[in-house]
Amino acid sequence: DADVTQTPRNRITKTGKRIMLECSQTKGHDRMYWYRQDPGLGLRLIYYSFDVKDINKGEISDGYSVSRQAQAKFSLSLESAIPNQTALYFCATSEGYGYTFGSGTRLTVV
Amino acid sequence: KQEVTQIPAALSVPEGENLVLNCSFTDSAIYNLQWFRQDPGKGLTSLLLIQSSQREQTSGRLNASLDKSSGRSTLYIAASQPGDSATYLCAVTAGANSKLTFGKGITLSVRP
Repeated sequence: DADVTQTPRNRITKTGKRIMLECSQTKGHDRMYWYRQDPGLGLRLIYYSFDVKDINKGEISDGYSVSRQAQAKFSLSLESAIPNQTALYFCATSEGYGYTFGSGTRLTVV
Repeated sequence: KQEVTQIPAALSVPEGENLVLNCSFTDSAIYNLQWFRQDPGKGLTSLLLIQSSQREQTSGRLNASLDKSSGRSTLYIAASQPGDSATYLCAVTAGANSKLTFGKGITLSVRP
């Protein structure tokens, strides 16, 4: 099993729909992150969590919300999806120096 | 605000060539710098991590160097192979508990 698992791997949704992307990790790390990647813009941080009770906004949190259900689970929600949220979304976990990324969720909003 | 720049955005080289990928950052007060590899449509794999007190790290055919004072890092790939074709991203952190700030990456193509 992968250390960081993201579901779904691919998703197409309609504008205005609510969608949840899920992430679970088996590393036992406290810190978890959600990034989005767009061509030409690199990876940008959406939200991060340093433990279950500590959730923080990243540089592009508008239109997104998160839930840290347990140390191992960190979900990202798009309350009302819009086309410019079409991107590749990555979950990551870290402890100390090392980061481990999931394989990504490719989200298309039509 | 920290900014990380990787130029050029894309690079194509023939197999067997030694090559250098560059990364620059605006704030030299970094805690560490990492190089990642990303295959198309896939996640990121950590290649090398350099602590701010270190000058370089090596793993196989890869060597990463860090010059904090000038805000630069290089990733050296020896004897490049077609399997090295991927996007290479560098990222820095400002502290032990800080987030990664990424460059936009360099897409490398190694021609057989």
